[in-house]
Amino acid sequence: GAGVSQSPSNKVTEKGKDVELRCDPISGHTALYWYRQSLGQGLEFLIYFQGNSAPDKSGLPSDRFSAERTGGSVSTLTIQRTQQEDSAVYLCASSLVSLTTDTQYFGPGTRLTVL
Amino acid sequence: TQLLEQSPQFLSIQEGENLTVYCNSSSVFSSLQWYRQEPGEGPVLLVTVVTGGEVKKLKRLTFQFGDARKDSSLHITAAQPGDTGLYLCAVSGGYQKVTFGIGTKLQVIP
Repeated sequence: GAGVSQSPSNKVTEKGKDVELRCDPISGHTALYWYRQSLGQGLEFLIYFQGNSAPDKSGLPSDRFSAERTGGSVSTLTIQRTQQEDSAVYLCASSLVSLTTDTQYFGPGTRLTVL
Repeated sequence: TQLLEQSPQFLSIQEGENLTVYCNSSSVFSSLQWYRQEPGEGPVLLVTVVTGGEVKKLKRLTFQFGDARKDSSLHITAAQPGDTGLYLCAVSGGYQKVTFGIGTKLQVIP
């Protein structure tokens, strides 16, 4: 079956522009996460959607970052007025949550470069 | 303060050597997961451990969950260049948000 897909795979933009990153999770997965990963670093949690609950936005680094998940499926991460420090790989993951396990399935990521 | 502490953060070894990496916390978890991320790709689940003292083997990789379910180790026997990557541990409590450690970056030199 299809895994998690993300688009675009690469995005180069100029400082100050807005960008939208898309994530298509695995069908039926109730949880969706966005992470940011700088070169050679670990995962930085950004935002978490679980079912119909209010999203956990505690990881968003500034109010320039926002995300939505429409119809419990596709998610879009928007970065407004991009800065050079926003350059990183943005990873999306989805999971089918249960009481005993929460395996995350990751997409290939979107590499964002802000010039 | 990190919920999960991983050590070492970086490890460079020769092909054929053995190694162990650690994931530690002061909290108790119902389960713990190990992921591996290869360059240019997203992390992929290697194993989930759920029982204190549990040992799981995946070919040359041996995973252990501490008796108190606060820590875990990953041991690799006779490391190969294909083992190179970022090893991440992660925990969650049922419907709670998954939390990752910062990872151990392993390089196996041919």
